[in-house]
Amino acid sequence: GENVEQHPSTLSVQEGDSAVIKCTYSDSASNYFPWYKQELGKRPQLIIDIRSNVGEKKDQRIAVTLNKTAKHFSLHITETQPEDSAVYFCAASLTNTDKLIFGTGTRLQVFP
Amino acid sequence: EAQVTQNPRYLITVTGKKLTVTCSQNMNHEYMSWYRQDPGLGLRQIYYSMNVEVTDKGDVPEGYKVSRKEKRNFPLILESPSPNQTSLYFCASSFQGGTEAFFGQGTRLTVV
Repeated sequence: GENVEQHPSTLSVQEGDSAVIKCTYSDSASNYFPWYKQELGKRPQLIIDIRSNVGEKKDQRIAVTLNKTAKHFSLHITETQPEDSAVYFCAASLTNTDKLIFGTGTRLQVFP
Repeated sequence: EAQVTQNPRYLITVTGKKLTVTCSQNMNHEYMSWYRQDPGLGLRQIYYSMNVEVTDKGDVPEGYKVSRKEKRNFPLILESPSPNQTSLYFCASSFQGGTEAFFGQGTRLTVV
């Protein structure tokens, strides 16, 4: 079955710097890769996703890149702000199922 | 307001006493899932359902049951809870596979 590894587990950056979180997946058939943000005490919420027919997607300060050959995908946050502090989860799935496999999460801290 | 609603939010129970956590969504979504969240392990899928009367095991189904008699409801049943089921549980729904999952507020369960 699918396995998703996520690194690093914690990441501390200065406000304004960039942050990068990386994930690798094992099942080459996976074709949908969402990223979720979970603030302290809150529910996870989708921030961006990418499908296997696309190599990169951007939404303002957030971007995701996908390398299908290497089976890894990354989240890039530019110009970080204190409100970006949260736990971020990557995930992988097949679009014809609801079997979503999550990474173990990255706790991002942005210091003012 | 579009939402996924779980009840209860907090529950403390004793080993072996059957319990049910309810989940309801008002978005007419086909897909619903249950996850448990544990420190260092991320979100792990317990069961998922792609339609009424259709359910399938996720990664950690042991000790849990689900049912999908109606499209909007997807209760999680613990027939004989044990302390290792102490966790934070999330229900989620999505329009179909490969689309945004909307999470409920979470249920913090403690089994003593």
